[in-house]
Amino acid sequence: KNQVEQSPQSLIILEGKNCTLQCNYTVSPFSNLRWYKQDTGRGPVSLTIMTFSENTKSNGRYTATLDADTKQSSLHITASQLSDSASYICVVSPRVGNYQLIWGAGTKLIIKP
Amino acid sequence: DTEVTQTPKHLVMGMTNKKSLKCEQHMGHRAMYWYKQKAKKPPELMFVYSYEKLSINESVPSRFSPECPNSSLLNLHLHALQPEDSALYLCASRPLPGQGNQPQHFGDGTRLSIL
Repeated sequence: KNQVEQSPQSLIILEGKNCTLQCNYTVSPFSNLRWYKQDTGRGPVSLTIMTFSENTKSNGRYTATLDADTKQSSLHITASQLSDSASYICVVSPRVGNYQLIWGAGTKLIIKP
Repeated sequence: DTEVTQTPKHLVMGMTNKKSLKCEQHMGHRAMYWYKQKAKKPPELMFVYSYEKLSINESVPSRFSPECPNSSLLNLHLHALQPEDSALYLCASRPLPGQGNQPQHFGDGTRLSIL
């Protein structure tokens, strides 16, 4: 069964600190993996998208890694800011051209001053 | 501001009302989507339009009726909804698969409450 599991479910860190969010998936075949940020009451915003041949991709203070062999991905946030408080969702696309996406349940991140 | 615009932002309606949700994008995307998102859950796919034609209906009840008048607009017509239909309704768009691994662009949604 295609699944995406994220950990931790929630995380609280102090402003300025770094953190890493985890994503494990059992989706096959695999086309790409996306990380989205969703602020409360807003739509998801794409942070990174990686195909199986990419190991890392950065977007400002966000760096995503992908290990297609172990089917694991991580999202590292550097020097966190209050505006980073949001849900971070890992999403896997099973194959190119397939509209179906497998969504993780998300990690709720809270940045405290 | 997002590149996908949804109106209204909030909607409260009774179970006997008829209303419509609207979505608009001007990025030239030819695939458009409707999602339903309940609190603290990931979005659930409802409908997919490809080149203005309905390509996927995820077994959505007929009280939800999608419409794609042109390549920039997507509507969701609502009729005789139930209280459990209260949720955030998200619209998204993306270039078709032939244009590479592009992410979906989401609007900020319509918060729907059924009384």
